[in-house]
Amino acid sequence: RKEVEQDPGPFNVPEGATVAFNCTYSNSASQSFFWYRQDCRKEPKLLMSVYSSGNEDGRFTAQLNRASQYISLLIRDSKLSDSATYLCAVAGVVGNKLVFGAGTILRVKS
Amino acid sequence: GAVVSQHPSRVICKSGTSVKIECRSLDFQATTMFWYRQFPKKSLMLMATSNEGSKATYEQGVEKDKFLINHASLTLSTLTVTSAHPEDSSFYICSARGIIFSGLSSYNEQFFGPGTRLTVL
Repeated sequence: RKEVEQDPGPFNVPEGATVAFNCTYSNSASQSFFWYRQDCRKEPKLLMSVYSSGNEDGRFTAQLNRASQYISLLIRDSKLSDSATYLCAVAGVVGNKLVFGAGTILRVKS
Repeated sequence: GAVVSQHPSRVICKSGTSVKIECRSLDFQATTMFWYRQFPKKSLMLMATSNEGSKATYEQGVEKDKFLINHASLTLSTLTVTSAHPEDSSFYICSARGIIFSGLSSYNEQFFGPGTRLTVL
């Protein structure tokens, strides 16, 4: 089983739609959780950290479910510019290394 | 956010040559730098972790004699791909982690460089 798993998609949604991604992790000792956005042929950019209490940043909401070992990202009112690959990343205790999922492709269409 | 640069952004070389990639943290001191490799449509795979002044820690399956890492200062790490072969063609991305001060706050975050696309012919 992979350490971090994501549905690769692609998710094809119309503008204005709400879309949600899940990401599961296998190491119950994981401490930190993140969502990154990666555009084609570019480096990943941090979208948001994921806290136990959940957090929201504008149209983006991230949640953590430790019991079921998954994190989620909800995007409301999708924009064309949201089209990208969304990577979840999990860090443990040892060296605080980030382990990435393979990413979920989102395509927002007009 | 903090800035991490990588040089060169793109390299095309012949099989058998060695390629050096530089990663610099421009406005903060990076206590730790990470090197990743990403193949098309695949996830980022951590290759090694380096701390300034000490030997890099390589992930399982990554040849340390093939991928030489030097973390000479708190702002510079280099990755040298020795005797590159076509299967080494990939997108190599570094990231740097350090303490960022913002006003009265400080936080520990990891920032990625823009990546280096290596093509070995």
